[in-house]
Amino acid sequence: ETGVTQTPRHLVMGMTNKKSLKCEQHLGHNAMYWYKQSAKKPLELMFVYSLEERVENNSVPSRFSPECPNSSHLFLHLHTLQPEDSALYLCASSQGTPAYGYTFGSGTRLTVV
Amino acid sequence: AQSVTQLGSHVSVSEGALVLLRCNYSSSVPPYLFWYVQYPNQGLQLLLKYTSAATLVKGINGFEAEFKKSETSFHLTKPSAHMSDAAEYFCAVSEPQAAGNKLTFGGGTRVLVKP
Repeated sequence: ETGVTQTPRHLVMGMTNKKSLKCEQHLGHNAMYWYKQSAKKPLELMFVYSLEERVENNSVPSRFSPECPNSSHLFLHLHTLQPEDSALYLCASSQGTPAYGYTFGSGTRLTVV
Repeated sequence: AQSVTQLGSHVSVSEGALVLLRCNYSSSVPPYLFWYVQYPNQGLQLLLKYTSAATLVKGINGFEAEFKKSETSFHLTKPSAHMSDAAEYFCAVSEPQAAGNKLTFGGGTRVLVKP
């Protein structure tokens, strides 16, 4: 068990659907992250939350909407997605200090049909 | 902005042979450096990290990496490859000044181990 739990593990959704990805950590970390991992592409940082405030949004389309209601939970709300949004979405958390590194969840494999 | 370059997107090694994965970084300040491993359909798992202590860092599963400031490198090695080492490996550098402890990742190197 990595300490960061992502649900669901797999998700298939149509382009007109609305769904949410959930990430939960009980490590006492104060920073949380969403990454997108597509085939044959580098890891793409999407959002960074530090102390429950969004500190970075890497030009992510508005069809992706993050939410961080508390330091233990992070959501990624999805709507009107495109097939090219199909990817592995990874959540991570950290203590917010540079030397610590990240703890990753197992990811949600998203397929948009 | 910092960057990380991993030379070779794919590496093939024979079981029992040396594993060498190359990582070079750019940074204007002393960096923290990390290696992560990712098995199929899983998240990334920390292998080891350099945080300005010893330049030779030992990690899990018999891996180690050496920080060479003059070469801006942090190459990962394992003396003898095992079939279970087949995975994708990512090098990453931290940005101490960025809010939220931002890590910048390299493009990854996929390791294939041949029997």
